[in-house]
Amino acid sequence: EVELVESGGGLVKPGGSLRLSCAASGFIFSNAWMSWVRQAPGKGLEWVGRIKSKTDGGTTDYAAPVKGRFSISRDDSKNTLYLQMNSLRTEDTAVYYCATYFGSGSLFWGQGSLVTVSS
Amino acid sequence: DIQMTQSPSTLSASVGDRVTFTCRASQSISSWLAWYQQKPGKAPKLLIYKASSLESGVPSRFSGSGSGTEFTLTISSLQPDDFATYYCQQYNSYLWTFGQGTKVEIK
Repeated sequence: EVELVESGGGLVKPGGSLRLSCAASGFIFSNAWMSWVRQAPGKGLEWVGRIKSKTDGGTTDYAAPVKGRFSISRDDSKNTLYLQMNSLRTEDTAVYYCATYFGSGSLFWGQGSLVTVSS
Repeated sequence: DIQMTQSPSTLSASVGDRVTFTCRASQSISSWLAWYQQKPGKAPKLLIYKASSLESGVPSRFSGSGSGTEFTLTISSLQPDDFATYYCQQYNSYLWTFGQGTKVEIK
């Protein structure tokens, strides 16, 4: 059974840092392109960024609002995806989801981790 | 970026109604379109992928159609559990983008 479990969320002050993790199981994680998506309270869904599989180069891409502040990485030996968030702003407050898609075209999301940026 | 526009923003309907939502892409996305249902405090639930493929376990009253820039999600007979917000998502581009959502309310 495919599973994505996010962790690491919490309350952080503006300007602070936080690292989210996403533990994957039930599929070949090393072959997967992984994404982060966020949803601010009462708002819609916003793509944050993506990392390719290492066999496809392992490169990353980011949405404009987080570029230069957020960094996505992966540890294929641990089947884990990471989102390092630096210089956090109040507008980064959101539930953060990790997600992937499969060759069939289907997609799978985790249940999310809440990040609150507040003084 | 590919812009996704959903209509309507809100839809009032009754149990048993046939309802249809529309999602338009600012450029062709072939069939790389997904539909999600989201309830308050919950993660989005995948209903349809590749425009018309029903996700496993999703009731057959949900169906999707379209390709290119115009897509629809249809619920053939609205059930009490279907009152929620629905989002479309394009994944033709690595930069995923989402519609703003359609909220289905009880009439």
